[in-house]
Amino acid sequence: GAVVSQHPSRVICKSGTSVKIECRSLDFQATTMFWYRQFPKQSLMLMATSNEGSKATYEQGVEKDKFLINHASLTLSTLTVTSAHPEDSSFYICSANPPGNTEAFFGQGTRLTVV
Amino acid sequence: QQQVKQSPQSLIVQKGGIPIINCAYENTAFDYFPWYQQFPGKGPALLIAIRPDVSEKKEGRFTISFNKSAKQFSLHIMDSQPGDSATYFCAAREGGADGLTFGKGTHLIIQP
Repeated sequence: GAVVSQHPSRVICKSGTSVKIECRSLDFQATTMFWYRQFPKQSLMLMATSNEGSKATYEQGVEKDKFLINHASLTLSTLTVTSAHPEDSSFYICSANPPGNTEAFFGQGTRLTVV
Repeated sequence: QQQVKQSPQSLIVQKGGIPIINCAYENTAFDYFPWYQQFPGKGPALLIAIRPDVSEKKEGRFTISFNKSAKQFSLHIMDSQPGDSATYFCAAREGGADGLTFGKGTHLIIQP
């Protein structure tokens, strides 16, 4: 199956700093990628849809200025958590669908801990 | 508002048993219903998926049953093994370009 890779897998940052998470589609081009957030022992919640070459679409309640998304190429989307606070600590996961494929392939996730 | 309701929250089954996980939805525009398996610290992996024009789909030991009129679908795992112990999520999607709406998950334990 298609491969979606996230980097880093784990990151610890200080409160007030910004953290960038990368999501790459390794063997296909993705005009659209999705970012999810998962708290411990909870479900995945869609945060935003990342669109190549245009602005991301954010779900209700997700702060655009807090979670900056850039989809500069057909294989890379980045999520930047700005001015991170301990409550931003979570598991962030991206996904993408290969062209013409209904199946969503997920990255391995990024565990963010803000101290 | 929870658009996809999943139950049970947790489930313990003896090896060889058939765990059944149920999901219900309200949005009739959903047209794609996948099930995902997730191990701790990992991203979810697709197990099996179904569209509403099919009532049942089987892939290996995994079967989805789909009841369009009741707006319910379920996952059955045949001949369950301890390695199947994981968290299982049902999900639904409206249109190919949309993100997925996930159920709350079922923590499944298969006892040896």
